[in-house]
Parts: sequence; structure tokens; C-alpha cells
Amino acid sequence: RKEVEQDPGPFNVPEGATVAFNCTYSNSASQSFFWYRQDCRKEPKLLMSVYSSGNEDGRFTAQLNRASQYISLLIRDSKLSDSATYLCVVNSQAGTALIFGKGTTLSVSS
Amino acid sequence: EPEVTQTPSHQVTQMGQEVILRCVPISNHLYFYWYRQILGQKVEFLVSFYNNEISEKSEIFDDQFSVERPDGSNFTLKIRSTKLEDSAMYFCASGELAGGLNEQFFGPGTRLTVL
Repeated sequence: RKEVEQDPGPFNVPEGATVAFNCTYSNSASQSFFWYRQDCRKEPKLLMSVYSSGNEDGRFTAQLNRASQYISLLIRDSKLSDSATYLCVVNSQAGTALIFGKGTTLSVSS
Repeated sequence: EPEVTQTPSHQVTQMGQEVILRCVPISNHLYFYWYRQILGQKVEFLVSFYNNEISEKSEIFDDQFSVERPDGSNFTLKIRSTKLEDSAMYFCASGELAGGLNEQFFGPGTRLTVL
């Protein structure tokens, strides 16, 4: 089983839409969870950390279900600037390495 | 806002040559990392470095790779004898590992092309 799995997409949505991304991870010992975004040929940028109780940052909401080893990201009121690849990331068992999913591509159109 | 910087932005080398990729992590961070991303593939962990020693490495990080913190600001990745399959984007990252939360911040990357 792959360590971090994501639906690759692409997700093509109009401006203003709500879109949800899902992710599953295989290592139950993982302790830290994140969503990064990556623009084409750029570095991954930390979008938000994901906390056990779920957390929100503006239009972005992240949820974690440890029992199901499942992480989600909800984007409300999509903007053109949200177009990017969204990377689901968990830490390794040793706690230093980040393990990345392949990413889900979002394209927001006007 | 402090950021991780990397040089060069693009390096072209011949197979079998040695390359050194350079990074300046965020100044108050104590943990340093190298990752790579082959075109069209996912970001892969190479190595983490803390307190002047390697704390974790992946199976990709074999004997041809080494890391060093030669002074108080730079963090380098050396590839001793490059192979065609080493062509990738190499990202440096740094973090604090504060409170068990392992947030890492990435530099803009060095694109390595091995001919």
C-alpha cells in the first residue's frame, strides 16, 4: 500500500465553487499532517497544518480522522489563484521526514 | 518574511561529475532537509540533519550523496558521481520541530540536469 494516496484529479471548477480533496495514509504512527500547495515548477508551500480536532484558515478547512487514516481539505469560494497542485503530507515514523502524496491538481476557471 | 534560499537555480553537469548544491536555511531553524522531485513525480525525502549529524535518511540517499553544514549559515548536498537518473529538482527545507509539529519550509529548488 502506498504511504500517502491522493486522487490525482484534475479537478476543474468554476470560480466560487466549493471543492474537497481527500487523502489516506498508511502509517498509523504518523504524528504530523499537512497540506502543501505546489505551483508548476515551484517549491511546495505550506498551506496549513492539520490538527486532530480539525482546523480552518479563511476559506480552507482541514479535517483529520486518525481511526480511518484519512485527511481532507475543503476549499470554499474558489479563486483563480487557487489553481495549483495540492499535496497531502504526513511525517515519517521517525518523525523528521515528510512523506508526500503525488498531489491533486485543481484548476479554477472564470 | 524569512525564507530558505538555494543556489544555483539550475545546474547542468556531465554524467560522472561531482556537484554541490547549496542552501541557506531560515536563520533560527535547527533542522535541515533535502528532498528531490523528478519531473512529473512526487516529492521524495532524501535526508534530515540536526546538530551537525544526519538524523534520518532514505534509501535514495546512498554513498554517492553527502551533506555538510560547513559554516553557521550554509547547508550543502554533494553528489559525488552524478548519474542520468539524478536529474531532478532538489529542494532544501528547514524547520523548528517545535511542540512536535514538524512544519518545514522549502527553498525554491535547484534544477539539476545530468547529461
